[in-house]
Amino acid sequence: QVQLVESGGGVVQPGRSLRLSCAASGFSLSGYGMHWVRQAPGKGLEWVADISYDGGKEFYGDSVKGRFTISRDNSRNTLYLQMDSLRTEDTAVYYCARDPYGSGSYYFDHWGQGTLVTVTS
Amino acid sequence: DIQMTQSPSSLSASVGDTVTITCRASQDINDFLAWYQQKPGKVPRLLIYDASTLQSGVPFRFSGSGSGTDFTLTISSLQPEDVATYYCQKYNSVPLTFGGGTKVEIK
Repeated sequence: QVQLVESGGGVVQPGRSLRLSCAASGFSLSGYGMHWVRQAPGKGLEWVADISYDGGKEFYGDSVKGRFTISRDNSRNTLYLQMDSLRTEDTAVYYCARDPYGSGSYYFDHWGQGTLVTVTS
Repeated sequence: DIQMTQSPSSLSASVGDTVTITCRASQDINDFLAWYQQKPGKVPRLLIYDASTLQSGVPFRFSGSGSGTDFTLTISSLQPEDVATYYCQKYNSVPLTFGGGTKVEIK
């Protein structure tokens, strides 16, 4: 069955960097667009970024544009999110999610369990 | 950017009731709309895509309708396991945007 497992979350100071990973199993990552979606404590869902099946297209939400970079390694079946210049408002659970289409930028048919990122001094 | 507005923000209904949640887009998004259910402490789950197509495995008491700017998620015969927050999400273009959520409780 489809499984997505995030890792790399933790506590980090403002201005520092963190890289999240999402290991996919039960399907071939190379056939699907992938996303990062986050949820601040007690708040709603916010789309962060997505990447097409081959990494040829990337899109970002306005709040992270220029600071976060999404990437993928299809040979390792792994999705990444490099987060630089972190701010306190980036504190959230970060979910990786699969798009049913290779191009990405649609919706999310499978979600990981999430990894918590806490940005605090 | 297109804004997605859900109403109500919360509701309380009895088991067996029909519940209706509304999602309004600030511009026409055709039928590029999905609905998700997030139970307390759990991961979101896709319920409906393309405004009215039920995701595999989702109970038939869930249904979606609408096109353009106005959309509805209906739960017919509310069950205790339906206690959750429900989100709409548009995907006609980036940025992908969620509604603010509707919390459903049992009376």
